[in-house]
Amino acid sequence: SQELEQSPQSLIVQEGKNLTINCTSSKTLYGLYWYKQKYGEGLIFLMMLQKGGEEKSHEKITAKLDEKKQQSSLHITASQPSHAGIYLCGAAGGTSYGKLTFGQGTILTVHP
Amino acid sequence: NAGVTQTPKFRILKIGQSMTLQCTQDMNHNYMYWYRQDPGMGLKLIYYSVGAGITDKGEVPNGYNVSRSTTEDFPLRLELAAPSQTSVYFCATETTGRGNTIYFGEGSWLTVV
Repeated sequence: SQELEQSPQSLIVQEGKNLTINCTSSKTLYGLYWYKQKYGEGLIFLMMLQKGGEEKSHEKITAKLDEKKQQSSLHITASQPSHAGIYLCGAAGGTSYGKLTFGQGTILTVHP
Repeated sequence: NAGVTQTPKFRILKIGQSMTLQCTQDMNHNYMYWYRQDPGMGLKLIYYSVGAGITDKGEVPNGYNVSRSTTEDFPLRLELAAPSQTSVYFCATETTGRGNTIYFGEGSWLTVV
């Protein structure tokens, strides 16, 4: 079965700093989803990557899927307190994309 | 979370009781999923459905049952609740095909005491 490992498990940064969260898979990634979760709330879709080398950006968040398709990174530029939360990566199932295997999550704290 | 509605939001159950978590979507998506999230962990797939009348087990199906009589609804039933089922439950939908957004509901917090 596929396993996803996220690093770091938690991250504390000062507002304005850049940061990167990594998601490493034990198997080839066919599709990789990034979600943000605030404590006590649901999952907010950020981005989905499919092709090796693909890179997508939304506001100050950029996600990449490496060429060998076994790792993805999420980069936040000039972090803000609103970026705080739990970031989850999910690997799509081969036959049904919604059969996601999730990493354990990365807890991000941004101090003003 | 647009279009995926879960009820109830919070529930406390006693050991051995049964209940149904409701999930309704108005996006006409064929694929629907139920996940659970334990504290400090990622989500794990309980059951999924690729269309009305079709359901299948995910990674952690024991203690749960599902049905899919309509495209819109995908209820998750807990029979004989156990403390190990204390968790946050998320319903998700996906339209047919690849590379599409998977929409999650806002979650149902369940405590079994």
